[in-house]
Amino acid sequence: DSGVTQTPKHLITATGQRVTLRCSPRSGDLSVYWYQQSLDQGLQFLIQYYNGEERAKGNILERFSAQQFPDLHSELNLSSLELGDSALYFCASSVVGRRSYNEQFFGPGTRLTVL
Amino acid sequence: GESVGLHLPTLSVQEGDNSIINCAYSNSASDYFIWYKQESGKGPQFIIDIRSNMDKRQGQRVTVLLNKTVKHLSLQIAATQPGDSAVYFCAEYSSASKIIFGSGTRLSIRP
Repeated sequence: DSGVTQTPKHLITATGQRVTLRCSPRSGDLSVYWYQQSLDQGLQFLIQYYNGEERAKGNILERFSAQQFPDLHSELNLSSLELGDSALYFCASSVVGRRSYNEQFFGPGTRLTVL
Repeated sequence: GESVGLHLPTLSVQEGDNSIINCAYSNSASDYFIWYKQESGKGPQFIIDIRSNMDKRQGQRVTVLLNKTVKHLSLQIAATQPGDSAVYFCAEYSSASKIIFGSGTRLSIRP
């Protein structure tokens, strides 16, 4: 158990809909990352938040957005869903130390199926 | 462009033997290289990382080798066990492009 929790575990929805995925980082971790894992694209970095502020952006679509709240949990919002958005979505957290890279601890993921 | 790729998509190893998983990268500006293990139905799990100014790092039963001359990274697992069965990803990190994952190698263990 990494200490990172994600809800829901599974989500089935229809095209055009909007969903919210939730992540609680490990106790003490200020940084949260979101990733998408699909069969054709592999594991892709979407976005990083640090202590409530956006820190880095990866391959995140404009239809997707995220935020990190004062209690450090994070939500990833996916809107105008398309069939191709079906994937596993992982959240990870890390401490932020002197190194530019710090070990990331991944949650169990949310499997999103868009029908 | 930047890319991280794996030489072999699948690897089958006899239990007790050593496993070597290889990875090629193209971004010489990466600061860190990382190996993750992903078991079925779970999120990736950090195994070991190596800073770009090192060429070898050892952990518990694992060793990562970095050859910057040929832009090659490998993960060696000693005395492979059934619990090592998983997909292994290499990844590279730079402050500019953050983390980029390779496509993964599935390691299966023969009894």
